Amino acid sequence: SAVISQKPSRDICQRGTSLTIQCQVDSQVTMMFWYRQQPGQSLTLIATANQGSEATYESGFVIDKFPISRPNLTFSTLTVSNMSPEDSSIYLCSVGGQGRETQYFGPGTRLLVL
Amino acid sequence: AQKVTQAQTEISVVEKEDVTLDCVYETRDTTYYLFWYKQPPSGELVFLIRRNSFDEQNEISGRYSWNFQKSTSSFNFTITASQVVDSAVYFCAVTSGSARQLTFGSGTQLTVLP
Repeated sequence: SAVISQKPSRDICQRGTSLTIQCQVDSQVTMMFWYRQQPGQSLTLIATANQGSEATYESGFVIDKFPISRPNLTFSTLTVSNMSPEDSSIYLCSVGGQGRETQYFGPGTRLLVL
Repeated sequence: AQKVTQAQTEISVVEKEDVTLDCVYETRDTTYYLFWYKQPPSGELVFLIRRNSFDEQNEISGRYSWNFQKSTSSFNFTITASQVVDSAVYFCAVTSGSARQLTFGSGTQLTVLP
């Protein structure tokens, strides 16, 4: 399995600001995903980060709010823009997928918006 | 559309008791993959097992065992002789060849008391 790291591990932010979360993998991977886990809830897919093209967003998530970059096959960023307290969640990146491979997850970024 | 139901929101057992976590899934695909993940209090998501739809053999790994029954669309997880370190939220998930994303259940909070 790939080794996945995320930065920052946690942060406390003010309403209206933006935070960029980094996801680094120790090997090249085709598929990278970003999930959100709101307090006490399950995981919801935000988007698939595609290398060399725009991310593919799931229903309810938009690029203006959650811009994603994927400059190469080992790295991706997720920005949470114009934050509100409702954005307080754990954000996790994962790699793998396509129905056959197991998805492995990074350690997550705990975000609290005041 | 895919769906995973984990009807048990919270389970509490005393150490050394056996405990079974239930998972019922829905998918229209004939080829699909089922997963269990563990999320300890630290927040990271730990992969436990993947099972494909063509393999109904039950699996045992140490104190963990999984019972896959296509006839009832269930993929239950049993921990034998539970330990305090097993305390975590456990998620069941499904994906298929036609879907990129993992669809997670709502999770079961397991608390093992000493």
